Amino acid sequence: DQQVKQNSPSLSVQEGRISILNCDYTNSMFDYFLWYKKYPAEGPTFLISISSIKDKNEDGRFTVFLNKSAKHLSLHIVPSQPGDSAVYFCAASHTGTASKLTFGTGTRLQVTL
Amino acid sequence: NAGVTQTPKFRILKIGQSMTLQCTQDMNHNYMYWYRQDPGMGLKLIYYSVGAGITDKGEVPNGYNVSRSTTEDFPLRLELAAPSQTSVYFCASSYRQGGSTEAFFGQGTRLTVV
Repeated sequence: DQQVKQNSPSLSVQEGRISILNCDYTNSMFDYFLWYKKYPAEGPTFLISISSIKDKNEDGRFTVFLNKSAKHLSLHIVPSQPGDSAVYFCAASHTGTASKLTFGTGTRLQVTL
Repeated sequence: NAGVTQTPKFRILKIGQSMTLQCTQDMNHNYMYWYRQDPGMGLKLIYYSVGAGITDKGEVPNGYNVSRSTTEDFPLRLELAAPSQTSVYFCASSYRQGGSTEAFFGQGTRLTVV
């Protein structure tokens, strides 16, 4: 039972263009959503998050959008840079559960020159 | 500023052997977690702790045990290693700040059971 889904295993984008990574969830109890970035042989590093009371959160080149009615969130990276090439995980949690995270399967982003 | 430190980074175990994966954090976080990541999959929660002396099962606890005697340390014990436990293990910690908050991860332990 995959409660958080990332249906695109990989994405290739040219440097300078926009990268859009998508994530869907099924558990309506989730009220906090996060994106993590992971390089090979390293642990995931936190990128950006959004609470369910918002529909957008921006941090520099990274913006996360949340559509609660569709149970969908997306991460936009503008402009994409070669250093953004990594695996991106979407994760979700709900208040009162000790911030336990449920992860998607990840999307591998390749930013080409 | 070490953050979350895991040891060892790599380990090969024979079936039936036991080992302890070490995890320590220096951020005074009250919450700690163990996740495993299998190839092509997301991270799955094994065990978690909300403070010293308190632990609870996650999604995939079978074959593992944990303890939390101090705020800093959260070791994961494998008693009888099985090939199905071949995976990359990540320890993480987070702090309580009202609602949910982000977790900080260690660099991982790659375990192979043969």
